[in-house]
Amino acid sequence: LAKTTQPISMDSYEGQEVNITCSHNNIATNDYITWYQQFPSQGPRFIIQGYKTKVTNEVASLFIPADRKSSTLSLPRVSLSDTAVYYCLVGPFNQAGTALIFGKGTTLSVSS
Amino acid sequence: GAGVSQTPSNKVTEKGKYVELRCDPISGHTALYWYRQSLGQGPEFLIYFQGTGAADDSGLPNDRFFAVRPEGSVSTLKIQRTERGDSAVYLCASSLNPAESSTDTQYFGPGTRLTVL
Repeated sequence: LAKTTQPISMDSYEGQEVNITCSHNNIATNDYITWYQQFPSQGPRFIIQGYKTKVTNEVASLFIPADRKSSTLSLPRVSLSDTAVYYCLVGPFNQAGTALIFGKGTTLSVSS
Repeated sequence: GAGVSQTPSNKVTEKGKYVELRCDPISGHTALYWYRQSLGQGPEFLIYFQGTGAADDSGLPNDRFFAVRPEGSVSTLKIQRTERGDSAVYLCASSLNPAESSTDTQYFGPGTRLTVL
């Protein structure tokens, strides 16, 4: 599975837009990009997934350039409750049994 | 609807003891995964079940770890002769068979925090 690189930590203030970029230079043709969010003492929670271009849901947007070697998770107008660890994962997630390979993620701290 | 549930939420045991951790997946999900998360790290894959069979157990650290899913629903992770290094949060996830959806999104439970004294 392709290795991912993302910042260890980010700081923001309430109401700001936060963009977390993930590098995955060795992404394979059949790989998807998935982001999970994890709060303390909880399991990871699926946020968004994409293959190319832009994906948007009620929580976030995911921007994927044409070469797919990176992706950016965009969180609009963050609140204190968005403080969490965000994981970027890459893999053939259209296949059953694909183990998720987590790195250390990006710890996002939102202040008032 | 109900999500993935895990019991107990916390388990404290002594070195050398045997423990069982239980996972109830989302109803109808045929795939089930176990992960282990140490403090400050992301979850690490342990084992994957498709139905009743363990399709991939390459993440199990050694033969003290074993998991079953006898009826294709509930799964139990069993750890024999526990060691202090086994202390971690054990996470379970389940997913639909991708034949029924385009991608195989895994949904996680809250985890069981295991402490080995």
